[in-house]
Amino acid sequence: EAQVTQNPRYLITVTGKKLTVTCSQNMNHEYMSWYRQDPGLGLRQIYYSMNVEVTDKGDVPEGYKVSRKEKRNFPLILESPSPNQTSLYFCASSLLAGGQGDTQYFGPGTRLTVL
Amino acid sequence: DQQVKQNSPSLSVQEGRISILNCDYTNSMFDYFLWYKKYPAEGPTFLISISSIKDKNEDGRFTVFLNKSAKHLSLHIVPSQPGDSAVYFCATLTGGGNKLTFGTGTQLKVEL
Repeated sequence: EAQVTQNPRYLITVTGKKLTVTCSQNMNHEYMSWYRQDPGLGLRQIYYSMNVEVTDKGDVPEGYKVSRKEKRNFPLILESPSPNQTSLYFCASSLLAGGQGDTQYFGPGTRLTVL
Repeated sequence: DQQVKQNSPSLSVQEGRISILNCDYTNSMFDYFLWYKKYPAEGPTFLISISSIKDKNEDGRFTVFLNKSAKHLSLHIVPSQPGDSAVYFCATLTGGGNKLTFGTGTQLKVEL
């Protein structure tokens, strides 16, 4: 089954404790992206990757890091989480970047709470 | 500054009637728009899209209309079904196509 998986689905942590949210897709997609969803703000892009070893900032990259060492994986790293990073996070992938008609597929989401 | 706006946070419709969800955008250079549907505890799923060369695109019960002069698009669902109850996001491709910029979402509730 074609899918985007994220782990963990739920996480409660404390300020300053480094964490990683994993994202994996099994569709051989080149493009992957991270979004956060906050009430009243919709989904906002954090980082994206056009291909292996190619990453770039989205709209709200502060406090986050990403890496793309393999095509299928795109982990989101919070080196020193803060309460304002409490949010619902979505990973997404698509076959190519920039294609009209190229659908982005989303993972199920990771709900992160930083105390 | 919101480039894509959904001014109605919620909408309630009776089963069998038409649901109309609206979306406004600020940049006339945007040329491709999408609607995503999101159920609780799931990620958004693609529903329908439209290119700026068209003013209408239809897929079954779902039709998206684009009014470029008004910088407005709408999603029509006819007839509405209880399973359509979800949050609907409109989005546009920005950043040279590298990014989806989303609206804030409209919670649709279809009542029996």
